[in-house]
Formats: sequence, C-alpha cells, structure tokens
Amino acid sequence: DGGITQSPKYLFRKEGQNVTLSCEQNLNHDAMYWYRQDPGQGLRLIYYSQIVNDFQKGDIAEGYSVSREKKESFPLTVTSAQKNPTAFYLCASSLGQSNTGELFFGEGSRLTVL
Amino acid sequence: GDSVTQMEGPVTLSEEAFLTINCTYTATGYPSLFWYVQYPGEGLQLLLKATKADDKGSNKGFEATYRKETTSFHLEKGSVQVSDSAVYFCALRGDGGATNKLIFGTGTLLAVQP
Repeated sequence: DGGITQSPKYLFRKEGQNVTLSCEQNLNHDAMYWYRQDPGQGLRLIYYSQIVNDFQKGDIAEGYSVSREKKESFPLTVTSAQKNPTAFYLCASSLGQSNTGELFFGEGSRLTVL
Repeated sequence: GDSVTQMEGPVTLSEEAFLTINCTYTATGYPSLFWYVQYPGEGLQLLLKATKADDKGSNKGFEATYRKETTSFHLEKGSVQVSDSAVYFCALRGDGGATNKLIFGTGTLLAVQP
C-alpha cells in the first residue's frame, strides 16, 4: 500500500545524544515536511523540502537538521542543541505542484529524552 | 503573520449530539482552509477542505463553510458517534503560496460517550 512510514515509533534518548528519525514515502510525492506536536500547541513546522537536494527551515528549525538525498526519504536529526526535544514528531508529504493543499501524514515518532 | 485559532477542548458529547468546533483565522488574501482529524495513536488525515469564500467542505457527515466576512471555518456534524472521538485540527494554507505548507490550530479533543 502507498503511504508514509516513520520509524521508530518510540525512541528514548539520553541528554547530549543526537538521534535520527526516519521518514520514507512511496507516494511519489515531491514535497516532504517535518512537524512537531506538543500538547496544547498544535503542529509546528520544523523543516520542509519541495524537491530533492533542497530544503528550507520552518518555524522551529533550531536544534534540528535534515537531508533530502532521495525523493522517497527525508530523515530528521534531533541534535543535542535542541533544548526541549521530547515531543511527537510527524512527517508528511504532498504533491509539490498540487494546489489542493492536502498533506499525507505518517503515524508519528514519539521521542522521549531521559 | 497567518494564524489559526480554534476552540479549546476537550469537548465531551453524548452519542447523537450535535457538534460544533469553532475555528477562526487571520490571513491576507484568500487562504485555503482545512480540517484534519487525528485518531488515537495515528497521524493526521484530511477530513475536508474549502478553497474559496462560501465553499462548503463535507465528508463523513462533517461540514464546514468558508466564511470570508467572519474569517471562520467552523466544523459541524449533526449526530456524532463514538467513533468520531479524536483530535480535530483546523489549518490554512496562505494565499498564493508556492508550497503546501500548512499553519495549524492547537487542536480540539472530541470525546463522544455512548
């Protein structure tokens, strides 16, 4: 089935460690996004990429990094510089040239810093 | 900048009750408006959308009308079911945006009791 796969679903990290969250899509979508979800704050955009080898910062990019070497993959690294990394992370994709505005989401990765 | 404000939850209703979740927005021009739903433990799914003033989006018994004069996009359903229990997010895509970056509200938790 076509869709977006995020892994791992749950991740625990010690302070000072970097961690990478995986996001893979087989929808042939051009654009991919990373959002962070916190209770009472909704979703906030971390990074997005409209095409391979290009990406832009969202509203809360500090302490995060991404790469887009392949169309299907958009991994997110949470670095030790991120002051409050415990959150639920959602990856999404969309047709880059589409005007529908529809995003397709993965099931999310919950990161807990111990 | 653009923003979305939606009513705080949780909203607790009995089965077959009428549902309204308020959503208002601030944006220049004519944004596209969306409602997404997040069931427990899952990512978000598009519920409905409207792309111009006076459009009505509808899906699964839910409706929302794009009201330019009141900058609102309230979600309604005539008779809720237990299976509608979820978090509902209102979102907008800015007018003229070259991407599908969405701005989300904080989400409203709906709990439907049998």
